[in-house]
Amino acid sequence: AQSVTQLDSHVSVSEGTPVLLRCNYSSSYSPSLFWYVQHPNKGLQLLLKYTSAATLVKGINGFEAEFKKSETSFHLTKPSAHMSDAAEYFCVVSVGNQGGKLIFGQGTELSVKP
Amino acid sequence: DAGVIQSPRHEVTEMGQEVTLRCKPISGHDYLFWYRQTMMRGLELLIYFNNNVPIDDSGMPEDRFSAKMPNASFSTLKIQPSEPRDSAVYFCASTHLQGHTEAFFGQGTRLTVV
Repeated sequence: AQSVTQLDSHVSVSEGTPVLLRCNYSSSYSPSLFWYVQHPNKGLQLLLKYTSAATLVKGINGFEAEFKKSETSFHLTKPSAHMSDAAEYFCVVSVGNQGGKLIFGQGTELSVKP
Repeated sequence: DAGVIQSPRHEVTEMGQEVTLRCKPISGHDYLFWYRQTMMRGLELLIYFNNNVPIDDSGMPEDRFSAKMPNASFSTLKIQPSEPRDSAVYFCASTHLQGHTEAFFGQGTRLTVV
């Protein structure tokens, strides 16, 4: 069965310091993986996606993620946090053999301190 | 394209009333998803369609919930009768190409059942 686990429900960093949001997945098939961001009272916006091309994926707003098959991980990173990065982040796996069904992690709330 | 359009943005209704949420997917997308988001459960997939046909409705919580997609440009999620525990934000999303591309989300409908 396919699943995704976000290892931290809440991460707090200071502005200007690196961000690391952890995600592990389980999939019987070659997965497609995504990170979405949700700002308060807003919809979900795609940050980046992995679809079996380059394992290091660059997204919007300076975020990137690395697909590591051996570790079944897809951690999200950013070298320097900005106040506007404060939001909820979701790691998502697409179940390709089930026609694109998306499985969401529980989310990680990122706080950025001045 | 204007993106995925949901209506209404906010709905307040009394317990026992029928509620209908509407969604217009992005033109050309052949998958449509309905999600529910609550603090307790996070993002849950309720049902999804492919080419207007329901593929997986295992996430629909009860018989009080029903969803239809009469054509490629319109879907509804109906709750009858509504209950306070149905209060949540309901998101519609659309995508294409069997999950190897990202899903685009609407802004959501915030439902409050009093």
